[in-house]
Amino acid sequence: DGGITQSPKYLFRKEGQNVTLSCEQNLNHDAMYWYRQDPGQGLRLIYYSQIVNDFQKGDIAEGYSVSREKKESFPLTVTSAQKNPTAFYLCASSLYGLAGETTGELFFGEGSRLTVL
Amino acid sequence: QKEVEQNSGPLSVPEGAIASLNCTYSDRGSQSFFWYRQYSGKSPELIMFIYSNGDKEDGRFTAQLNKASQYVSLLIRDSQPSDSATYLCAVIHSGGSNYKLTFGKGTLLTVNP
Repeated sequence: DGGITQSPKYLFRKEGQNVTLSCEQNLNHDAMYWYRQDPGQGLRLIYYSQIVNDFQKGDIAEGYSVSREKKESFPLTVTSAQKNPTAFYLCASSLYGLAGETTGELFFGEGSRLTVL
Repeated sequence: QKEVEQNSGPLSVPEGAIASLNCTYSDRGSQSFFWYRQYSGKSPELIMFIYSNGDKEDGRFTAQLNKASQYVSLLIRDSQPSDSATYLCAVIHSGGSNYKLTFGKGTLLTVNP
């Protein structure tokens, strides 16, 4: 079945540690995104990538880093510089970017819940 | 910063009633508008999109867009308990050469049996 796989589903981190969240898609989508969701909040864009080896900062990129070495993969690293990393992280993809021929439909993974101890 | 505003709710309606969810946006140049549904603890899923002024119907769901008022709404007819979820409004707007999808904070809908 085609879809987006995020791992791990739950992750606990000690302060000062970097952690990497995995996101893999087999939908052959060009664009991939990372969002953060806090309780009672909408989704805030961290980073997005429209093609391999290229990515752009979203609204809250500070303390995060990404790479896009393969079309299928868009891992997110939460660094120790992120002061309040406890949140629900959602990876998404879309067939194209958000301009041109697109319905703007994002397909989401099941999310990764990060807790800092 | 482009804004997308929604009433946070919670909105509570009885089963069989019409639920009305509202959203306003700040970027007058926005062209594409979306409603996502998110069940508690789950990821969002797209239920409607609308590009043109007026109404768009899909089953029990109707999206309404008024670009002059910068307003988009979602009506759910014959509401069912399974419709209980958070509904997120999202808008595509351009930021120079890039386009971004900005989400509102969502409205929590509860349908009471």
